[in-house]
Amino acid sequence: GENVEQHPSTLSVQEGDSAVIKCTYSDSASNYFPWYKQELGKGPQLIIDIRSNVGEKKDQRIAVTLNKTAKHFSLHITETQPEDSAVYFCAARDSGTYKYIFGTGTRLKVLA
Amino acid sequence: EAGVTQSPTHLIKTRGQQATLRCSPISGHTSVYWYQQALGLGLQFLLWYDEGEERNRGNFPPRFSGRQFPNYSSELNVNALELEDSALYLCASSFQGGGADGELFFGEGSRLTVL
Repeated sequence: GENVEQHPSTLSVQEGDSAVIKCTYSDSASNYFPWYKQELGKGPQLIIDIRSNVGEKKDQRIAVTLNKTAKHFSLHITETQPEDSAVYFCAARDSGTYKYIFGTGTRLKVLA
Repeated sequence: EAGVTQSPTHLIKTRGQQATLRCSPISGHTSVYWYQQALGLGLQFLLWYDEGEERNRGNFPPRFSGRQFPNYSSELNVNALELEDSALYLCASSFQGGGADGELFFGEGSRLTVL
């Protein structure tokens, strides 16, 4: 069945360093890949997304890369700040069913 | 513009009771998705409604059900509550079927506690 694997499950970085979270999807029909940030006690917030016709997208300190051949996509956060600490989820959406499959989440801790 | 709103914020029930959770999508959105997030775990897909019809269903028992109203708001009903139903229930909305843009926006969730 459809599956999205996300690694690592936890990640600690020093403030100012970069953080990278990786996801692998199984459904070749997936064509849209969003990333969400979930702070404690809140709902997930869309922070960046990428579509299958693009290999990379950047928005200030965050960027996402997509390798369709390998079915990999990654989130890159540069110059991390304490407020980046949260749980991050990747997702893949099937182009036919519009069903979203989420990764298991990465708890990012930015140490001041 | 208002985001996705969910009510109630918190709900406490006992085993065997029924719970009803409500969701209002972003104005203009016709699709509503429901997810269950147990403590410390990921998002498990429950149901997807679009234009008033159930379009897809996750791997949950039939006691999880819902509906979408003509104004595109939605209800999630959980019957015969069990302890393991305790979780944060998240609603998300998007343009029809994800639409050309495809962005999925979440509400803040309803935390259900079953005692």
